[in-house]
Amino acid sequence: EVQLVQSGAEVKKSGESLKISCKGSGYSFTSYWIGWVRQMPGKGLEWMGIIYPGDSETRYSPSCQGQVTISADKSISTAYLQWSSLKASDTAMYYCARMTGGWAFDYWGQGTLVTVSS
Amino acid sequence: QSALTQPASVSGSPGQSITISCTGTSSDVGSYNLVSWYQQHPGKAPKLMIYEGSKRPPGVSNRFSGSKSGNTASLTISGLQAEDEADYYCCSYAGSSTHVVFGGGTKLTVL
Repeated sequence: EVQLVQSGAEVKKSGESLKISCKGSGYSFTSYWIGWVRQMPGKGLEWMGIIYPGDSETRYSPSCQGQVTISADKSISTAYLQWSSLKASDTAMYYCARMTGGWAFDYWGQGTLVTVSS
Repeated sequence: QSALTQPASVSGSPGQSITISCTGTSSDVGSYNLVSWYQQHPGKAPKLMIYEGSKRPPGVSNRFSGSKSGNTASLTISGLQAEDEADYYCCSYAGSSTHVVFGGGTKLTVL
């Protein structure tokens, strides 16, 4: 069974750093892109970027480029999303999802709620 | 403002059919047959319902169907059921610079 299990909820202050994780199981982790999707409170889905764990190639949305870093450790089948300096506007639910060859996201993690206070 | 335009809300009675539109541009929906649709119930992760415009993943009811005409993709749900009440999002590949764009989402109410 394909599963993506994300790390738990985080409460941080503006300016702090953060790294959240997404562990894949039940499939070949290095053979599928993993994407990150943001959902701000009461809002829609926003694509942030993707990584191919096989070679760590990454692609970012123009709005997220330079704001976050996506990485992966294929030895432990885990992808990461990190911030060096959080802002209150980063408060959101963050989902990881496996991407198919047709640019669709077929399996999703349960989400990680990040709350940033100013 | 989202890159793809969806109606904010649609509604229908049980047993009826509804269609949700997703309007993009010639740079995304119009250029690629790579539109996907997601269902999201409150407090839950999104679920893939349609991919590559009209394909259904295993386990998704055949009451859900997708299509495209020009720059507009559509999701049709036939034989509406109470459990179909949720938010629905379209998504499209948008080329090598932007990569992926989502619609703003549509809230489906089953009356």
